[in-house]
Formats: sequence, C-alpha cells, structure tokens
Amino acid sequence: DTEVTQTPKHLVMGMTNKKSLKCEQHMGHRAMYWYKQKAKKPPELMFVYSYEKLSINESVPSRFSPECPNSSLLNLHLHALQPEDSALYLCASSQEASGGNLHDTQYFGPGTRLTVL
Amino acid sequence: GQQLNQSPQSMFIQEGEDVSMNCTSSSIFNTWLWYKQDPGEGPVLLIALYKAGELTSNGRLTAQFGITRKDSFLNISASIPSDVGIYFCAGPSNYGQNFVFGPGTRLSVLP
Repeated sequence: DTEVTQTPKHLVMGMTNKKSLKCEQHMGHRAMYWYKQKAKKPPELMFVYSYEKLSINESVPSRFSPECPNSSLLNLHLHALQPEDSALYLCASSQEASGGNLHDTQYFGPGTRLTVL
Repeated sequence: GQQLNQSPQSMFIQEGEDVSMNCTSSSIFNTWLWYKQDPGEGPVLLIALYKAGELTSNGRLTAQFGITRKDSFLNISASIPSDVGIYFCAGPSNYGQNFVFGPGTRLSVLP
C-alpha cells in the first residue's frame, strides 16, 4: 500500500477563518512533507518533518502552522490567510528525509484545493 | 542547490504516437523519480530508478537512469487520451532533507 490520504479535498475559507488540513500515511514512513502548488508549476516545499520533528521550514509565513501528532499524521493549521495563499496543498511521505537516504522515494496524497476569499 | 531541467516544456501529439521526454541536471542524482499529475490532483509516482543504466518499464511507460547519473528519460508508447497531464521528474537532494523537482513537461494528446 503506497497511499497517502488528505482531507478535505476542497476548502473555501475567508481571511479571518481558522481551518486545518489533514494528512495520513500507513507506510511506516518517517518523513512527511507539506508542499504548496500553483497552477502549471512544480510543487514548492513548505515543511519537512523527520521522525516527528520539524526539520525544514522554508521561510513559510506564520499563518501556516504545521503539526505532527504522531508518525502517521500530519496537519497544517491555517489562520488569517490571504487570497494569494489559494493553491493546491500537497502532503507527501518518504521512508526517511532524504539527507540520510539518497535512494528515498516520495509518495504524494491527492491534495487539498484551497480557495481563500 | 541542485536543479533539474526538463524538455520539452510542452508537446502535442496524435493519439497512438510514441512520446519521449527527458530530464537533465548539472549534478549527479542517485535516484530518479517520474510522476504524472492530472489537474487538481496530486502527483502519482510512475517509475522509480535507483541505479545508473537501469531501464524500467511500467506498462506502456519506459524510463532509463542515465549512465552519467545526470539525466533520465521517459518514453510512452502508443499514447492514449488519458496520458494527458504534466510529467515531473524528481530526485532526493544530495545536500538536504528535500526532493528536487523539474519544471514539468505538459503532454497533450490529440484524438
């Protein structure tokens, strides 16, 4: 099973709302990732969790707050977003964060289409 | 940091034709990953390559890991309408805990 699940599939929120995106994997992977993707562009890395600890934050604004409750779950808490934050948000996982494994393989979830009004 | 380039940027082909696209880098990669992405969906892993010279097939798809470890190609034989999408190459960075992505090749299949 190489499945990564994400909920919700679609989300519309106002700039004053608080919402959360959820991601789950049961492959025993120890690295989990959040990406933001705009149309016709490759995924843009936001955060990396390695062994449930935040290892990379790509200078993401604090209105995005990641959380890794356990090795299978990854959340992204959203607060006071801007319309330019509208995008496809992708979760991914891999065996371990690639700094330690140059043969690592990454699997993506189906994404959450976020629209900020 | 490491970068990946993909060519062509986009291509329009007739249904039934074969397709070839490639991915290059100025630095060595130890793994090459090929993904297909449909609009509004997450990238789906098509083929993973782990060894220089490796040639791997997945149905009508064939990918090769270049001998120099600086390139890879993906071929699709007898294209069908559902092959439409964006194809990304990627690989784990040699320098950090992230993956590097190419800009993608957009494939359109004309009936």
